[in-house]
Amino acid sequence: GAVVSQHPSRVICKSGTSVKIECRSLDFQATTMFWYRQFPKKSLMLMATSNEGSKATYEQGVEKDKFLINHASLTLSTLTVTSAHPEDSSFYICSASGQRTYEQYFGPGTRLTVT
Amino acid sequence: DQQVKQNSPSLSVQEGRISILNCDYTNSMFDYFLWYKKYPAEGPTFLISISSIKDKNEDGRFTVFLNKSAKHLSLHIVPSQPGDSAVYFCAGRDNFNKFYFGSGTKLNVKP
Repeated sequence: GAVVSQHPSRVICKSGTSVKIECRSLDFQATTMFWYRQFPKKSLMLMATSNEGSKATYEQGVEKDKFLINHASLTLSTLTVTSAHPEDSSFYICSASGQRTYEQYFGPGTRLTVT
Repeated sequence: DQQVKQNSPSLSVQEGRISILNCDYTNSMFDYFLWYKKYPAEGPTFLISISSIKDKNEDGRFTVFLNKSAKHLSLHIVPSQPGDSAVYFCAGRDNFNKFYFGSGTKLNVKP
C-alpha cells in the first residue's frame, strides 16, 4: 500500500507554544489529506479535510484558528497546534487519499504532550 | 450522532479459530466500507474494503460481508493468528469522500 509519513512521532511542548506536525505522502500524489485526533479508547475523530491548494474544511467543534492546516503541495500537509494547552495532548493522525479515493492511507501518528 | 457503531469493544479468540468482528451503520448513502487494523501508538493500516453494491469481498484470510438491508457488515478472519491481535476499526465513506469510523474492537488471539 501507499506510504504516508508523519513527523515528529512524539513531541512534548510547554503550554502556550505552537507545534507543527508534518504529513507527507511518499509515493503518491495526495489530492486530499485528512487530520484525525484519537482520544484514549475512543474512535478516530476527524478534525479537518484539506485539498491541495485550497483552504481546509473543519469539522464542527474544531477551532480553525487553533488548528491551522496547510496543504501546500500534493505530498505535504501540515497541522499547527497554536497556543497549545494540556487538553490538546492527544494522538494526531493524518491520512491521505489519491486517485483511488475510496481508500485512505494513514500516517503513523504523532503523540503530542503539552505540559 | 455516531453513524458507524462497533458494539463489541473487545473479542478474544483462540488461535486457529474464526474471528468475527461486527459493525453497524445508519447512513444508507455510504458507498464504500473499509476495515482498518491498528496497533498501539501507530496509525491505522488498511485491511480490506467492500463496495456498497457487493455483499462479499475476500482477500486471503480476511472476508468482509455486507448486509445492506440490515445495515450491517462483518469482518471474518480465518484462521486467526496471534499477529492479528490489534484494534479493528470499520469505516463508511459517504459521497463527499468523508469517512466515519466506529469506535473499534480490540481483538486478542490467544496462542
